[in-house]
Amino acid sequence: DTEVTQTPKHLVMGMTNKKSLKCEQHMGHRAMYWYKQKAKKPPELMFVYSYEKLSINESVPSRFSPECPNSSLLNLHLHALQPEDSALYLCASSQARTGAYEQYFGPGTRLTVT
Amino acid sequence: AQTVTQSQPEMSVQEAETVTLSCTYDTSENNYYLFWYKQPPSRQMILVIRQEAYKQQNATENRFSVNFQKAAKSFSLKISDSQLGDTAMYFCAFTRYNAGNMLTFGGGTRLMVKP
Repeated sequence: DTEVTQTPKHLVMGMTNKKSLKCEQHMGHRAMYWYKQKAKKPPELMFVYSYEKLSINESVPSRFSPECPNSSLLNLHLHALQPEDSALYLCASSQARTGAYEQYFGPGTRLTVT
Repeated sequence: AQTVTQSQPEMSVQEAETVTLSCTYDTSENNYYLFWYKQPPSRQMILVIRQEAYKQQNATENRFSVNFQKAAKSFSLKISDSQLGDTAMYFCAFTRYNAGNMLTFGGGTRLMVKP
């Protein structure tokens, strides 16, 4: 099973809402990533978890709050977002953070902030 | 800091023909990895091919091959016998050795394969 799943596929939220994005993998990978991707642009790294610990935060605003409850699951909690946060949010996982292991990407959650 | 440049925002190719996508990068590192990722419309991004900088031999994966020119810092992707399913956004990416697998992506090339 080389699949990374993400839910929901689409999310529309108001600027005062609180919502969460979920990512799951069952490949035994110990590194998981959150990316933000705007239309026709490359993904931008937001967070990296390694062995369930946050190892990289790319200066992401605090209205985005990641969580890694266990080695298979990664959440992104959203609160008080802005319209410019509308984007495709991609989750990825890899065997580890060291070396250059292939990153397996999920299909993404398309977020619209109104 | 590393930069990755894809100079062709859009390309098109006829089915069954060959197309080459360009990628150049800038780094002072000697040990690194290069990748081509494919993102089809509304589908997951997948790894197409990877190249270790210390390997002189160009990587190949079925119809996909690269031309890795380390001195020129160039890493182009050749797709032979193009198929309709090759229509996608292609991203060139770079990571330093022991950089925690952090990818630096190029801006992407949108490839359209025409029947």
